[in-house]
Amino acid sequence: GQQVMQIPQYQHVQEGEDFTTYCNSSTTLSNIQWYKQRPGGHPVFLIQLVKSGEVKKQKRLTFQFGEAKKNSSLHITATQTTDVGTYFCAGRRPGGSQGNLIFGKGTKLSVKP
Amino acid sequence: DTAVSQTPKYLVTQMGNDKSIKCEQNLGHDTMYWYKQDSKKFLKIMFSYNNKELIINETVPNRFSPKSPDKAHLNLHINSLELGDSAVYFCASSLRPGLAGLSNTGELFFGEGSRLTVL
Repeated sequence: GQQVMQIPQYQHVQEGEDFTTYCNSSTTLSNIQWYKQRPGGHPVFLIQLVKSGEVKKQKRLTFQFGEAKKNSSLHITATQTTDVGTYFCAGRRPGGSQGNLIFGKGTKLSVKP
Repeated sequence: DTAVSQTPKYLVTQMGNDKSIKCEQNLGHDTMYWYKQDSKKFLKIMFSYNNKELIINETVPNRFSPKSPDKAHLNLHINSLELGDSAVYFCASSLRPGLAGLSNTGELFFGEGSRLTVL
């Protein structure tokens, strides 16, 4: 079945360093969503990308959707300790309004102050 | 007011028991979900209901039975609990993906999770 691969699984950075997580789908997606889950918390929606090549920014976070709509990335500039958590991408397959989201396995970010 | 609330938050039980987790959303959404998150944090969809109708039923043992009495509630009943059922179970809701409206991203609103430990 369709898979959404996400790398790296873990990332340890020094506060102030940049961080990037990547998502790749085996098939074309209709859109991709990103979620953040703080330690002990629940996933919280960050953003959705729909268009081919789309780039969206939220303060220090930059989200990209690939031209082929098969890959996506989340880049955090100058990480802070508040960025700690697990970041999930979730791709929605095209064809059918009931298409469910396929979650990547997440990238767990730890930030050393 | 909590948007998606699930109870209980913690559940510790013995193998072989039957248990239920309840979920309610007050967002007016028409689609609700159950996800299982294992110890490696992998989020796996189990069920999806749209207006009380089962839409998605992934490969889940039939010991798991969802019930949706109305579109604001989706409960999960688990029979004959096994060690491998230990996980955090998240309820979520959304507007139906594909429903017209530029503001509808179909984003999921998750509950706080129910941590199930089977001994």
